[in-house]
Amino acid sequence: TQLLEQSPQFLSIQEGENLTVYCNSSSVFSSLQWYRQEPGEGPVLLVTVVTGGEVKKLKRLTFQFGDARKDSSLHITAAQPGDTGLYLCAGRMDSNYQLIWGAGTKLIIKP
Amino acid sequence: NAGVTQTPKFQVLKTGQSMTLQCAQDMNHEYMSWYRQDPGMGLRLIHYSVGAGITDQGEVPNGYNVSRSTTEDFPLRLLSAAPSQTSVYFCASSYSIIGGGGNEQFFGPGTRLTVL
Repeated sequence: TQLLEQSPQFLSIQEGENLTVYCNSSSVFSSLQWYRQEPGEGPVLLVTVVTGGEVKKLKRLTFQFGDARKDSSLHITAAQPGDTGLYLCAGRMDSNYQLIWGAGTKLIIKP
Repeated sequence: NAGVTQTPKFQVLKTGQSMTLQCAQDMNHEYMSWYRQDPGMGLRLIHYSVGAGITDQGEVPNGYNVSRSTTEDFPLRLLSAAPSQTSVYFCASSYSIIGGGGNEQFFGPGTRLTVL
């Protein structure tokens, strides 16, 4: 059972377009993290959100944690080819300390 | 700092063979874990350790053993390789697993394992 559903699974868009990736669950998380993974490498942390309703910005990337701490979104403005990669969300549950991972969104930005 | 290192980077095994995937970190992190990554399934936790001498099972532990004799090293042993264990294996470490700020996971570059 996938506790964290990511959508879309795959997205290919042109440079300059905007996009949003979603991470949804029926479970409540104490925190949620977004990672980016490039081919042949391990995931690298982009951001951690902790408070319901929290919004964090990282240059052209905007991350939001849902008010109920069950969902999150990643919005990229004016996507660039360097944004290409696999984006993973991971939620930490209050009941244990393990990270629950989404299956990932493979993003391709075409020049 | 080298961060998290993994060896080997690639490995091909025959069914029934055993091997050890090596993982080391130089950040003095207490928490280390092993994941496998398969297409469309995200990262699945195999085993983890909250400190030297302490290990526990994750979501998919069958067919794998771990030990943690030092803070730095966390090897993963495949006892008798099966084709279902063909995957990419990642080792990760973090300073903490609780709280919002100290639980960033640092990943190694991965080991790509094929079992024939």
